[in-house]
Amino acid sequence: DAGVTQSPTHLIKTRGQQVTLRCSPKSGHDTVSWYQQALGQGPQFIFQYYEEEERQRGNFPDRFSGHQFPNYSSELNVNALLLGDSALYLCASIDSGTSGGPGYEQYFGPGTRLTVT
Amino acid sequence: AQTVTQSQPEMSVQEAETVTLSCTYDTSESDYYLFWYKQPPSRQMILVIRQEAYKQQNATENRFSVNFQKAAKSFSLKISDSQLGDAAMYFCAYRILYGGSQGNLIFGKGTKLSVKP
Repeated sequence: DAGVTQSPTHLIKTRGQQVTLRCSPKSGHDTVSWYQQALGQGPQFIFQYYEEEERQRGNFPDRFSGHQFPNYSSELNVNALLLGDSALYLCASIDSGTSGGPGYEQYFGPGTRLTVT
Repeated sequence: AQTVTQSQPEMSVQEAETVTLSCTYDTSESDYYLFWYKQPPSRQMILVIRQEAYKQQNATENRFSVNFQKAAKSFSLKISDSQLGDAAMYFCAYRILYGGSQGNLIFGKGTKLSVKP
């Protein structure tokens, strides 16, 4: 059973460019959350997708957008890249059926390291 | 707004000894979950232990246990019989509950744990 996978592993972009990061959730999971982890910091919530719609959003500008596909995989898009967007981007998947119960857990992928020069 | 504070940027422990990592949080909610995640150099976040706020009994998972003080809003992690493989960044996290929504995780800045042989 594959866990959460993310691609690519590393990415280098130039200021002003656009980037797309991809995430495949753990088998059986239908909800995907994205987090940004700056160097030396804890992850910060960007947004969450469920049933192909953005359900919650953290304090991130509209340059950050996403998408969820019918197979529950997800993409994170960042437009007009800034130097400050350099970070590790983590994807986490959830089985919505466990929400609110003791079985709830967010399973994280290994992340995509984005460097903006 | 909910916040999570980890006051120890770095900790060190001798192999086979016990270490306690501190975490405090701020919330006006009465129902929530608290988590400790481990992030080794491989970058993948791994759930160490979970605590439901409505449970007074402290959670335990093998060598890992917590001291949950709800009134003090404190949630410390104790690692017993420390092993070299315990060396990692440890993040304390709080989960918001919004009705039927999944809720995102709010993380502290982390504590880097070193284990000396």
